Amino acid sequence: AQTVTQSQPEMSVQEAETVTLSCTYDTSESDYYLFWYKQPPSRQMILVIRQEAYKQQNATENRFSVNFQKAAKSFSLKISDSQLGDAAMYFCAYRSTRGGSEKLVFGKGTKLTVNP
Amino acid sequence: SAVISQKPSRDICQRGTSLTIQCQVDSQVTMMFWYRQQPGQSLTLIATANQGSEATYESGFVIDKFPISRPNLTFSTLTVSNMSPEDSSIYLCSVGDRGLNTGELFFGEGSRLTVL
Repeated sequence: AQTVTQSQPEMSVQEAETVTLSCTYDTSESDYYLFWYKQPPSRQMILVIRQEAYKQQNATENRFSVNFQKAAKSFSLKISDSQLGDAAMYFCAYRSTRGGSEKLVFGKGTKLTVNP
Repeated sequence: SAVISQKPSRDICQRGTSLTIQCQVDSQVTMMFWYRQQPGQSLTLIATANQGSEATYESGFVIDKFPISRPNLTFSTLTVSNMSPEDSSIYLCSVGDRGLNTGELFFGEGSRLTVL
């Protein structure tokens, strides 16, 4: 079974600075999806960024980028120019590409605090 | 994206009672997923609900405790039966990308249950 590990329960960053959240995963599959989701205090889960394992290029969405290291099974999230609205729980998640396996496997999450 | 509505958004329940959570999606989807998020924890998949067939439950979750209905392609219910304080959680409904192959899941805002 696949597992996702987030080793940082909490992180903090100063506004306008850069922070990196760590995620490692374990799988025997060669093709899969990886995601970072954000859950603000309002609790709606919002997709931040996604990465397909067959793509070598790291995904980027505005201030959010990932460092995907497939061999190391590592998938970190970098948030640049941090804003107060970035404060939230961040979950790393894995999804198989096999048919009938649409479920997501989540890590335990990292609580990000942004200090003004 | 998908618009997912859950009812109730929150409730306070008495030990031993049951509560049914409704999930309505704005378009037809094949699979609907029910997740549980215990206080301060990550999301754990309870079951996958397919229209026209019995739900598939994850290890540790049973139909008697969490019966699920899926009467059509836009609606599902999750019942939490014979509740105890340990069932106090946020219950989230989610759906897949409807064949767009983005791999992501979309989430409702969740139903926060407190069991006294």
